[in-house]
Amino acid sequence: KNEVEQSPQNLTAQEGEFITINCSYSVGISALHWLQQHPGGGIVSLFMLSSGKKKHGRLIATINIQEKHSSLHITASHPRDSAVYICAVRSMDSNYQLIWGAGTKLIIKP
Amino acid sequence: NAGVMQNPRHLVRRRGQEARLRCSPMKGHSHVYWYRQLPEEGLKFMVYLQKENIIDESGMPKERFSAEFPKEGPSILRIQQVVRGDSAAYFCASSPRQGNTGELFFGEGSRLTVL
Repeated sequence: KNEVEQSPQNLTAQEGEFITINCSYSVGISALHWLQQHPGGGIVSLFMLSSGKKKHGRLIATINIQEKHSSLHITASHPRDSAVYICAVRSMDSNYQLIWGAGTKLIIKP
Repeated sequence: NAGVMQNPRHLVRRRGQEARLRCSPMKGHSHVYWYRQLPEEGLKFMVYLQKENIIDESGMPKERFSAEFPKEGPSILRIQQVVRGDSAAYFCASSPRQGNTGELFFGEGSRLTVL
């Protein structure tokens, strides 16, 4: 079992829909990152969380440390949100190495 | 304030040649991380460097691969005698500080194709 599990693996939705991507992890962490990768493109760091909730534009990230779970939400989704969304955690055992989820491929149809 | 700059964006090499990938971290960042992404796979940690020091190279193959981050200039990931299996996207990330307070900023990646 991977230490970081993302669901769903693939998600297709219509423009305007509310999107939720989940990330569960099994190790003790000091921080969790959500990142975005466009096809053939670079990686953009969206959020770094250690507790609670963060919001940036239409993106919201939450984390529940007790349940070892984080969610990334996209409100009023748009085709330009189509990308791979990656969850990565910084283990307490290593304060710099990240353990990466496999990513969630999101397609938003117009 | 420019982001993390990687070059070249695309590099084609024949088997046996050398590949050099460069990463200029964000201004003020002294921590650099290299990751490799094989086609259809997630990122894998390769090496973590601070200025003039390799902190952790546990993710880097022991042969043919080397990395440096000199006092002046970019960090360089060097792959000697490339093989087809080295074809991948290589991403660099920088951080202003180590540990869980250091948010990571990624470059656009360098895509190596070995013919």
